[in-house]
Amino acid sequence: QVHLQESGPGLVKPSETLSLICSVSSGSLSDYFWSWIRQTPGKGLEWIGYVYSTGSTKYNPSLEGRLTLSVDTSKNQVSLRLRSVTTADTATYFCARHAYNTVYWFDPWGLGTLVTVSS
Amino acid sequence: SYVLTQPPSVSVAPGETANITCGGDSIGGKSVHWYLQKPGQAPVLVIYVDRDRPSGIPERFSGSNFGNTATLTISKVEAGDEADYYCQVWDTSSDVQVFGGGTKLTVL
Repeated sequence: QVHLQESGPGLVKPSETLSLICSVSSGSLSDYFWSWIRQTPGKGLEWIGYVYSTGSTKYNPSLEGRLTLSVDTSKNQVSLRLRSVTTADTATYFCARHAYNTVYWFDPWGLGTLVTVSS
Repeated sequence: SYVLTQPPSVSVAPGETANITCGGDSIGGKSVHWYLQKPGQAPVLVIYVDRDRPSGIPERFSGSNFGNTATLTISKVEAGDEADYYCQVWDTSSDVQVFGGGTKLTVL
């Protein structure tokens, strides 16, 4: 069964770049869309964007301009880079796989990683 | 942008049936997916495409979607069903994934 694990720095300074990696095990990146979703403390879920296994992307308009998603099939990893972060970007960040070759539901999700933006 | 509206909370006694709604403009024309999330854990898919259950999800979980409301129904509620529940759709017009605000299910 495919397993997703997010990793990255727990603390980022305002105006800097947040970089996260989602490592995928027991499964291939191929033919799947991979999304990042975040959840602010005590709040709901916000979709960040997705990247297909070929590298094509779609971003949430609210983050477009600051966001880059990419895949590294040789390492079986999906990456997120969010530039010019502010305290509003403090959240738990999840990676999730979409259903096979579609962008419908998310299954499974990683455990998530908490990122705090603070000086 | 497309908006999904869920009640902030639903309370039900053990053994009873919980209905969690997700409202959206003509949501009946979209595919709705549901997740549960327990504290400190990742969301888990419990219903996809309105009414289908992933393997491992009990038959007590069911879904429907018509008109402007999708509903997640949990029958014979157990204490372990306490969680936050989120609905989600893919808004094809904008190619954006949308989540509802979440509903906290409390088992009395």
